[in-house]
Amino acid sequence: DQQVKQNSPSLSVQEGRISILNCDYTNSMFDYFLWYKKYPAEGPTFLISISSIKDKNEDGRFTVFLNKSAKHLSLHIVPSQPGDSAVYFCAARRYGGSQGNLIFGKGTKLSVKP
Amino acid sequence: DTGVSQNPRHKITKRGQNVTFRCDPISEHNRLYWYRQTLGQGPEFLTYFQNEAQLEKSRLLSDRFSAERPKGSFSTLEIQRTEQGDSAMYLCASSPRGLAQVSYEQYFGPGTRLTVT
Repeated sequence: DQQVKQNSPSLSVQEGRISILNCDYTNSMFDYFLWYKKYPAEGPTFLISISSIKDKNEDGRFTVFLNKSAKHLSLHIVPSQPGDSAVYFCAARRYGGSQGNLIFGKGTKLSVKP
Repeated sequence: DTGVSQNPRHKITKRGQNVTFRCDPISEHNRLYWYRQTLGQGPEFLTYFQNEAQLEKSRLLSDRFSAERPKGSFSTLEIQRTEQGDSAMYLCASSPRGLAQVSYEQYFGPGTRLTVT
């Protein structure tokens, strides 16, 4: 069963507008969440993270929001740029779990059109 | 370049052959991870090392798979008697040991794409 779900396989946004990527999770024991960006033929690149004790974390154009009661997080990119076009993965770590085991969603492909 | 490096980047092999991949983590990162990614999926955890100790293995890691990190630096992942279902991207990641601040970020290499024919 998919514990981390990214229900939108793709998203298309105009340059300069906001991109909102969504992620839902089912395991209430998850205590840390991360977003990764992946270009073709490259490994995932860490983007931004948030601990479950927070509801928002911001880094430049990227903001992650966490709604624990809804088991939902989202990544906002403002303003979107063509270079942001990539696949975005949401990942989660389980409280009390090993340091190794990040659980990833299937990804959302973002296309930012000039 | 001080990022995670993986070799080879691509490997084509025939079913039944053995293959070995290498990962060099970021210097001084004591934690190293292997993941597998297939088309349309996110990375799936395989195994994790802290220094030279293999601390966790996923049930995805069948007995045909073995990983080592002999001196706590680079790591190798070997697949014996490869099957077509082993075709995937094999990703390596590393992370530092957190001191004052807990962080779980892992830094990935470019991956090794394995094709089993």
